[in-house]
Amino acid sequence: EIVLTQSPGTLSLSPGERATLSCRASQSISNNYLAWYQQKPGQAPRLLISAASSRATGIPDRFSGSGSGTDFTLTINRLEPEDFAVYYCQQYGSSRPITFGQGTRLEI
Amino acid sequence: QVQLVASGGAVVQPGGSLRLSCAVSGFTFSRYGMHWVRQAPGKGLQWVAAISHDGTLTYYLDSVKGRFTISRDNSKNTLYLQMNSLRAEDTAVYSCASNLIVGAWYFDYWGQGTLVTVSS
Repeated sequence: EIVLTQSPGTLSLSPGERATLSCRASQSISNNYLAWYQQKPGQAPRLLISAASSRATGIPDRFSGSGSGTDFTLTINRLEPEDFAVYYCQQYGSSRPITFGQGTRLEI
Repeated sequence: QVQLVASGGAVVQPGGSLRLSCAVSGFTFSRYGMHWVRQAPGKGLQWVAAISHDGTLTYYLDSVKGRFTISRDNSKNTLYLQMNSLRAEDTAVYSCASNLIVGAWYFDYWGQGTLVTVSS
């Protein structure tokens, strides 16, 4: 099982700043099959990024994903008030079961 | 508007059974693989089970294999999770999620969950 470790656990920033969230895998993720989700309180998670860097439909371009192998990053430029939420990474490569990171809380 | 609405959660005693449902609308249900994902109180997300778009293939987390059964009714746009021999460690919010691309299990759509509490 691939273990995903997200850092930091909590990130405190202000609107307009840039957020950099990390997701590190315990082994290489095949095809860089890594996704990022955003979850706000009381809401279902929302897909942001798939395949490490491909933005989902309707996701603003201030969200970007990068990385390969075992190290991946979600960058959010020019933070908007609605961006403050919990962010999860998930690997869906050939290693089963698919697994999630423990989440990074982005707070104002 | 895409909606995935899970229901059926309850308080059940250890060893008991429960059937969860997930009603889907807003997309072509029969084209999507479907999954159950759970989140125990204060814990992270954990994938539980998956079923192919046509219901012919199913996959399970090792710890639920033989106890849980995932199924679907494409005529009713509904996903199910039959949970038997429930344990305290199965206590969690169970959510349903969809994926379009075969073999790429990331979730295009994700519903809010239903709470299952296993306790005597």
